[in-house]
Amino acid sequence: DSGVTQTPKHLITATGQRVTLRCSPRSGDLSVYWYQQSLDQGLQFLIQYYNGEERAKGNILERFSAQQFPDLHSELNLSSLELGDSALYFCASTPTGTGINTEAFFGQGTRLTVV
Amino acid sequence: SQQGEEDPQALSIQEGENATMNCSYKTSINNLQWYRQNSGRGLVHLILIRSNEREKHSGRLRVTLDTSKKSSSLLITASRAADTASYFCATDAWQAGTALIFGKGTTLSVSS
Repeated sequence: DSGVTQTPKHLITATGQRVTLRCSPRSGDLSVYWYQQSLDQGLQFLIQYYNGEERAKGNILERFSAQQFPDLHSELNLSSLELGDSALYFCASTPTGTGINTEAFFGQGTRLTVV
Repeated sequence: SQQGEEDPQALSIQEGENATMNCSYKTSINNLQWYRQNSGRGLVHLILIRSNEREKHSGRLRVTLDTSKKSSSLLITASRAADTASYFCATDAWQAGTALIFGKGTTLSVSS
C-alpha cells in the first residue's frame, strides 16, 4: 500500500459529461502530481500542485482542471469528455516540491471509460 | 512530451535469465528513477540514481547511468515470473519544472 488513495477506482460516463477524480496523498506529502496513461500516449504528466499552489504544468487540456485543497487532497476535473479521454488517471505524491529528488508514491489509479 | 525513451518496447525471457532495459533521455538531468507497473496498477519506485553516480544496486537490480550518452540501463538478474511487468524510467524535464516525466516503458514478460 503506497498510502496514496484515489477514488473512484472505475468510472464510466458519456461523452460531453464532466467528472471529478479525487486523490489523497500520503500523510505528510505536500506535492500531488496527476498523470494520464493511455495505450498510445504512454504516461503523460498533466499537472503538479505543491502545498495548494500549482507548481508545474504538462500536457493538460484546457477542458481539464485541478486544484489542491487546504487538507492537501487534490481533485482533477475533466469536462466535455471525449472518447479519447478514456484512460487510467494516476495521482502521485512526494514530500517536497521537487519530485525528482525523492521517490514518488502512486495511487492505484482511476480507470475512466467514456462511452 | 516524452523525456525518456525505453528500449526495447517489449522483452520476453525465460525464468533465470537476465533482463536488460535501456532508457535514453534528451536534456540534462539531476536524477533518474526507474519504476515498475504491474498490469493496470499503480507505479512502484525501484531505484533512484543521481547524475553524479554511475552505478547503483538494489537486490537483483543494477542501474547504470551514462550522462555523456544521456542513457541509463536497468538490469534484472535471475528473472522470476513475478518480475513480469512494465518498467519505466523517469527524469525531470526543464519545461515541466519539478515533475517526473516518464518514458513509454518496456514490457517484460518472464515465462517459467
